[in-house]
Amino acid sequence: DAGVTQSPTHLIKTRGQHVTLRCSPISGHKSVSWYQQVLGQGPQFIFQYYEKEERGRGNFPDRFSARQFPNYSSELNVNALLLGDSALYLCASSPSAGAGEKLFFGSGTQLSVL
Amino acid sequence: QQQVKQSPQSLIVQKGGIPIINCAYENTAFDYFPWYQQFPGKGPALLIAIRPDVSEKKEGRFTISFNKSAKQFSLHIMDSQPGDSATYFCAARDAATGNQFYFGTGTSLTVIP
Repeated sequence: DAGVTQSPTHLIKTRGQHVTLRCSPISGHKSVSWYQQVLGQGPQFIFQYYEKEERGRGNFPDRFSARQFPNYSSELNVNALLLGDSALYLCASSPSAGAGEKLFFGSGTQLSVL
Repeated sequence: QQQVKQSPQSLIVQKGGIPIINCAYENTAFDYFPWYQQFPGKGPALLIAIRPDVSEKKEGRFTISFNKSAKQFSLHIMDSQPGDSATYFCAARDAATGNQFYFGTGTSLTVIP
């Protein structure tokens, strides 16, 4: 079975641009979460979506938005990019939004903002 | 503010040694504590997890020790191998916010053959 797939794998943008990152969860998984991992740090929670509804949002500015589609895939959008947005963006899927669910991470999208 | 504090930042052990990675937290609403392993260029992969109602959990060569009163938990890797060289993250889930996980800052483990 395919794991969580993310695209693109690498991306270079300039300040002020916007970016869209994509994620396909494991087949049968209905929950998708997005995390930002800055070099040398642990992942930081951005969003969780379940059944196309936002279930949680981390401490990120409104420049960050996301959505989930009927096939449970998801997009993360970041507007007005800043240098500090340079990071590895990880998508994780889980079967449901319930308690104690294991998170299955993709390999991430490495975003560089110049 | 770092919700989960992890130490050490890096660790070097000989093959067969038992590296120990420690984490501490303050939020008593945390109800689930997983450990993740991450190799370069890959996303984190779940190793083992524990709930606060048990003090120890073993899965293969990996053991979590949990001290609820001290709000601390640790990962022990028995008979470590060079293939265990990776970055390890502890994490904690806040039940009040659903499935939001807080991660430690990571420990880079090197196992020397």
